[in-house]
Amino acid sequence: DGGITQSPKYLFRKEGQNVTLSCEQNLNHDAMYWYRQDPGQGLRLIYYSQIVNDFQKGDIAEGYSVSREKKESFPLTVTSAQKNPTAFYLCASSIISGRGDTGELFFGEGSRLTVL
Amino acid sequence: KNQVEQSPQSLIILEGKNCTLQCNYTVSPFSNLRWYKQDTGRGPVSLTIMTFSENTKSNGRYTATLDADTKQSSLHITASQLSDSASYICVVSSFPGGSYIPTFGRGTSLIVHP
Repeated sequence: DGGITQSPKYLFRKEGQNVTLSCEQNLNHDAMYWYRQDPGQGLRLIYYSQIVNDFQKGDIAEGYSVSREKKESFPLTVTSAQKNPTAFYLCASSIISGRGDTGELFFGEGSRLTVL
Repeated sequence: KNQVEQSPQSLIILEGKNCTLQCNYTVSPFSNLRWYKQDTGRGPVSLTIMTFSENTKSNGRYTATLDADTKQSSLHITASQLSDSASYICVVSSFPGGSYIPTFGRGTSLIVHP
């Protein structure tokens, strides 16, 4: 089945450690996104990418890094510079506008990161 | 600044009852409005999409309405089931040129009790 796969589902990290969250999609979507979700808040955009080898900062990019070496993959690294990394992280993808797209985001199942 | 406000923040109802969730927005230029359902610990899934010219759209027991003049939308759930317990997120997208830009509401947490 086509979809977005995030791993790991749960991750625990000690302070000062970098961790990488995986996101893979087989929907042949051009655009991929990383969102952060905290209790009582709307989704906030961390990074997005519309083509391979190119990505843009979102609203809360500080302390995070990404890469887009393949169309199917968009890993997110949470660095030690991120002051409050404990959160639920959601990866999403979408068709690029202009090709019958309506802006629908297709989300993965999320990764919950806890800093000990 | 584009904003999406949802109410109530949380809602508890008995199984079988109906409920209505509200979404007010100030997003410009408006392109479309989506309601997503997010089960606890899962990713959001799109329920319905409304464009400027649409007033009502149904998806099973879910009915969404849109009043583009007052910039309000509602999601009505009929004959609620335990599986309706989830967070419902209103997302309004603008299309200033080139790509959609979504603005997310904070969601309404719905709990359906037996």
